[in-house]
Amino acid sequence: NAGVTQTPKFQVLKTGQSMTLQCAQDMNHEYMSWYRQDPGMGLRLIHYSVGAGITDQGEVPNGYNVSRSTTEDFPLRLLSAAPSQTSVYFCASRGSGVVNEQFFGPGTRLTVL
Amino acid sequence: AQSVTQLGSHVSVSEGALVLLRCNYSSSVPPYLFWYVQYPNQGLQLLLKYTSAATLVKGINGFEAEFKKSETSFHLTKPSAHMSDAAEYFCAVSGAYGQNFVFGPGTRLSVLP
Repeated sequence: NAGVTQTPKFQVLKTGQSMTLQCAQDMNHEYMSWYRQDPGMGLRLIHYSVGAGITDQGEVPNGYNVSRSTTEDFPLRLLSAAPSQTSVYFCASRGSGVVNEQFFGPGTRLTVL
Repeated sequence: AQSVTQLGSHVSVSEGALVLLRCNYSSSVPPYLFWYVQYPNQGLQLLLKYTSAATLVKGINGFEAEFKKSETSFHLTKPSAHMSDAAEYFCAVSGAYGQNFVFGPGTRLSVLP
């Protein structure tokens, strides 16, 4: 199993540009999440999904959109990039049931100029 | 609601010394607790998890953590630090079914030769 994969690994955008961060998992997990990691702030939840066709907002959803058309894929879209969105983005997935830990992708480092 | 605090954003120990990373939580439901490790430029990897089966939990790489309900703590320890333990460590709390999965701000561990 490849686990959780993310592309691209690095990206530089100009303010106002849009882009999609890709996330895929091959573990048939129902739950998928997007986090951003900023120094001293740990990981903050952006959006999450409990299954195909179902998404919801996390702690910091503004400026981001998600969709979940398949179990495997959970892309994160930046609509109009801003310097405040410079961060490292992690996608995670976990199975259903009691106390299943999250599995993380390797991350995407995004810089918005 | 759940929250996590980690005392000390940066901890330094000498190689061979005891590692102690502190985690305190707040939870309105029986907590399920996790420790993750993040090596430079990588995603998060699970070290260990508390699932209410036993209060002393053993994880990978010689780490262990003890759940103390009276102190609302879940501190991470390792008897003898190794250079390869240098990384960032995150404590996290969730409900039984992964709801409200919340990370602490992280503690960066440095191991001195």
